[in-house]
Amino acid sequence: DAGVIQSPRHEVTEMGQEVTLRCKPISGHDYLFWYRQTMMRGLELLIYFNNNVPIDDSGMPEDRFSAKMPNASFSTLKIQPSEPRDSAVYFCASSHLRGLKGYTFGSGTRLTVV
Amino acid sequence: DQQVKQNSPSLSVQEGRISILNCDYTNSMFDYFLWYKKYPAEGPTFLISISSIKDKNEDGRFTVFLNKSAKHLSLHIVPSQPGDSAVYFCAAPSSGTYKYIFGTGTRLKVLA
Repeated sequence: DAGVIQSPRHEVTEMGQEVTLRCKPISGHDYLFWYRQTMMRGLELLIYFNNNVPIDDSGMPEDRFSAKMPNASFSTLKIQPSEPRDSAVYFCASSHLRGLKGYTFGSGTRLTVV
Repeated sequence: DQQVKQNSPSLSVQEGRISILNCDYTNSMFDYFLWYKKYPAEGPTFLISISSIKDKNEDGRFTVFLNKSAKHLSLHIVPSQPGDSAVYFCAAPSSGTYKYIFGTGTRLKVLA
């Protein structure tokens, strides 16, 4: 398996623009997570899905953030409008069962909003 | 809700010596606690876990200790190698949900 695939790897955008981050989970994994990494807060969970259904979005910082999972092999995280404080590395992760080995993370998308 | 703290943002250790990384959590859970390792420009990768019914788990050079009464985890790396230089995150389960809460990470630098 190719692992969790995220695109793009890097995104630079101007404040106010819409940004869409993409994720393809590992086939067969029924949980998908979006995390954001910043120096101050470490790895923050934004939202997670089970069987394509959003279960917990309590970490989504504002209404400007939205996430969808239209099918088992694809998810998006959208920020509209983007702001400089959204600059961070965004990770997608997937898993089948929690416990022994946690999640498998993608390589992340480094977002810079100028 | 669960909170996880890694109070040491960075740690430097000589090659061959022991590295000890610490982590505190707030809510006791009957579940697994995890450690992840992260290299620059890569996603975190699973390193080692420990069940809450145990107090120690060992995997090669890596040992994780769990002190349930103190709500404290530690990761020991012996002997430390330059390739171990990375950011290490601990993660604790969140009650009633499927999610893990991560700490802010400790950047380990192993000096050759």
